[in-house]
Amino acid sequence: DTEVTQTPKHLVMGMTNKKSLKCEQHMGHRAMYWYKQKAKKPPELMFVYSYEKLSINESVPSRFSPECPNSSLLNLHLHALQPEDSALYLCASSQGLLRRGTSYEQYFGPGTRLTVT
Amino acid sequence: GQQLNQSPQSMFIQEGEDVSMNCTSSSIFNTWLWYKQDPGEGPVLLIALYKAGELTSNGRLTAQFGITRKDSFLNISASIPSDVGIYFCAGRTNTGNQFYFGTGTSLTVIP
Repeated sequence: DTEVTQTPKHLVMGMTNKKSLKCEQHMGHRAMYWYKQKAKKPPELMFVYSYEKLSINESVPSRFSPECPNSSLLNLHLHALQPEDSALYLCASSQGLLRRGTSYEQYFGPGTRLTVT
Repeated sequence: GQQLNQSPQSMFIQEGEDVSMNCTSSSIFNTWLWYKQDPGEGPVLLIALYKAGELTSNGRLTAQFGITRKDSFLNISASIPSDVGIYFCAGRTNTGNQFYFGTGTSLTVIP
């Protein structure tokens, strides 16, 4: 089973709202990722968690706040977003952060289509 | 970050034709992944490559890890309408903790 689930599928929020995106995997993966994707563009890395600790933050604005409650769950808390933040938000997981000499496959969830009005 | 150049940017082909696309990097990569993405959905992993020169197949798809370790190729044989979508390559260096994505190849199959 290589399934990563994401909820909700679609989200419309105003610029003053607070909402959260959720991601879950049960593959025993210890690395989890948030990506942002605009139409017809490649995914852009936002955050990486390794063993429930934030490992990479790609200079993402503080209105995006990630959280990893346990090794199976990853949340992205949203607050005071801008219309330009509208995009497909993808969660992914892999077996572990990559060490020299090893390689791991990365699996994506179906994404959350976010619209900020 | 790393820039991966993927070509062609788009392809329009007749059903039944073979397809080739490639991805090049300025850096040496230890892993190459190929994904297919349908509109509004997440990318689906097609093939993973781990060794220079490695040739791996998944049904009608075949991918190769370039000998220079700076490129990778994906071929689709006998294309069918459900092959339509955007194909992304992704690569990882031996020191990085993230995958870098190519610019994508949009494939249209004309029945």
